[in-house]
Amino acid sequence: EVQLVESGGGLVQPGGSLRLSCAASRFSFSSFWMSWVRQAPGRGLEWVANIKPDGSEKYYVDSVKGRFTISRDNAKSSLSLQMNSLRAEDTAVYYCARDLPGYPGSYWDSWGQGTRVSVSS
Amino acid sequence: EIVLTQSPATLSLSPGERTTLSCRASQSVGRYLAWYQQKPGQAPRLLIYDASNRASGIPARFSGSGSGTDFTLTISSLEPEDFAVYYCQHCSNWPRTFGQGTKVEIK
Repeated sequence: EVQLVESGGGLVQPGGSLRLSCAASRFSFSSFWMSWVRQAPGRGLEWVANIKPDGSEKYYVDSVKGRFTISRDNAKSSLSLQMNSLRAEDTAVYYCARDLPGYPGSYWDSWGQGTRVSVSS
Repeated sequence: EIVLTQSPATLSLSPGERTTLSCRASQSVGRYLAWYQQKPGQAPRLLIYDASNRASGIPARFSGSGSGTDFTLTISSLEPEDFAVYYCQHCSNWPRTFGQGTKVEIK
């Protein structure tokens, strides 16, 4: 069974930085688009960013462009999200998600348990 | 950005009942639409993709239909484990967006 384990969340002050990681296992990580999806407290889901298997294409939701950077290390089966200039509205649980096989960049069939990010002074 | 509007916001139902959830897109998404189920404290679970295809391991009581701007998720007979929040999501263009969710609660 696919395993995705996020880490790196925590409490950070507005304007600060945080780096999230996602350790992937039990599937061929280098073959899949990967994404970050977040959920603010008591709110719905919001796609944040995703990255092509070889890292050559990356997409972001407008609200994080220029502040967040998605990256991957296929040798280590690891996905990262570097978050800079954090704002209160970035407070959320951040999920790492794998694309549905055969549907690159489209739907997500495997999710981690999430890591919580709180931005507050 | 395509806006997905789900209705109703909440459904109060009893086990065994049939229910239909709605998702309307602000512009056509073709059949590029999925449905997810989320329970408290858990990650979302993919139920339906491409409007009507059940994901692996999803029971046959879940079915999806629609195209263009109007989509429905039908649960033919609610089981106790089906009480949750349901989200639709499109992948027609960027950014991918979700609806705001429909909560199916026990009456």
